Amino acid sequence: KAGVTQTPRYLIKTRGQQVTLSCSPISGHRSVSWYQQTPGQGLQFLFEYFSETQRNKGNFPGRFSGRQFSNSRSEMNVSTLELGDSALYLCASSQGTSGRAERETQYFGPGTRLLVL
Amino acid sequence: KNEVEQSPQNLTAQEGEFITINCSYSVGISALHWLQQHPGGGIVSLFMLSSGKKKHGRLIATINIQEKHSSLHITASHPRDSAVYICAVGGSNYKLTFGKGTLLTVNP
Repeated sequence: KAGVTQTPRYLIKTRGQQVTLSCSPISGHRSVSWYQQTPGQGLQFLFEYFSETQRNKGNFPGRFSGRQFSNSRSEMNVSTLELGDSALYLCASSQGTSGRAERETQYFGPGTRLLVL
Repeated sequence: KNEVEQSPQNLTAQEGEFITINCSYSVGISALHWLQQHPGGGIVSLFMLSSGKKKHGRLIATINIQEKHSSLHITASHPRDSAVYICAVGGSNYKLTFGKGTLLTVNP
């Protein structure tokens, strides 16, 4: 099976712009979670989607949003970019059958490295 | 205080040494994950456990629910084990909370 893929891998944006990142989960996986990783804060949970519904959300401002499509692919969007949004954005998929993504093995994508200038 | 504390932050070992990385957490959890991150960013899930002990090759993970503590052991360490090891806990808020990670360097 192909692993989790993320596009693009690298992105440079300027403050005030918006960005959309894409994640394709492992075939058959229905849960997709998004994480932000920065040197200062480490890994932080953004949100989780299951069956096109946001099932859980982390403590991030409303500028961060996401969605999931019927084929389980997911996108996340960050509007009005700030310098502090520069980070590695990781998505992870899991089967979703347990109803609790944090109780399932997470399969991570390679990440999208976003630089905001 | 962070919900998930890892120690040590940095660890340097010689090839062949036995390595232990510790993780303590302050909340009730439903599962604990050990992750490995190599330079360049890719993260691999090593273990997910909610009780007892799991073993995979040279890696062993244990968890003590009463003491809110988990350990990751690497036997016969090898330079290819050099990576950041991250502990993450899943709690009643249905989210994963991550430790800051332990940077392991294994010298030949």
